[in-house]
Amino acid sequence: SQQGEEDPQALSIQEGENATMNCSYKTSINNLQWYRQNSGRGLVHLILIRSNEREKHSGRLRVTLDTSKKSSSLLITASRAADTASYFCATYKAAGNKLTFGGGTRVLVKP
Amino acid sequence: NAGVTQTPKFQVLKTGQSMTLQCAQDMNHEYMSWYRQDPGMGLRLIHYSVGAGITDQGEVPNGYNVSRSTTEDFPLRLLSAAPSQTSVYFCASSYSGLAETYNEQFFGPGTRLTVL
Repeated sequence: SQQGEEDPQALSIQEGENATMNCSYKTSINNLQWYRQNSGRGLVHLILIRSNEREKHSGRLRVTLDTSKKSSSLLITASRAADTASYFCATYKAAGNKLTFGGGTRVLVKP
Repeated sequence: NAGVTQTPKFQVLKTGQSMTLQCAQDMNHEYMSWYRQDPGMGLRLIHYSVGAGITDQGEVPNGYNVSRSTTEDFPLRLLSAAPSQTSVYFCASSYSGLAETYNEQFFGPGTRLTVL
């Protein structure tokens, strides 16, 4: 079973709008990571947030982590057509030394 | 640096055939892993390695073997291909798999495998 579950499964927005996607997980984690996958390509790491952090920024990306609710959100501000991709959250637990991915959110940014 | 490379990019097999998917990285990463990606399922971990000579099973290891004789290479072997193994396979590496220093994973471009 998947540790992380993204919501929504798909998202369609206009260029310039913000895109928000959420990730929920079931058990305690050491860190949570977000990745982007363009169609037919490998995944690219976007941002990592540790379990003792609540918010992190990287350029137009903002990630939050609420360990009490076992959830994270990824916000992309001022979206561009080039942001069209699938976005995956992945949770890391030291016990087992594995990264577990969710099913992803497909984002379409219309010009 | 070439990063993580995978060969082949595409492969078609018949049921029962065996083959090896190649993965190599030139970043001197200790941690390497193999995932498969099926539609709507995200990525599932097949096998991983925390260093040369050390491998361990992931979530879906059945039907696959791995070995890690060098830091650079981490081949994935399909012993007897089945249609259920039709998928896109990704190899990934990271500097370390240890809890205190776990970093981002770098992914290869993938191998699209079809088993008839």
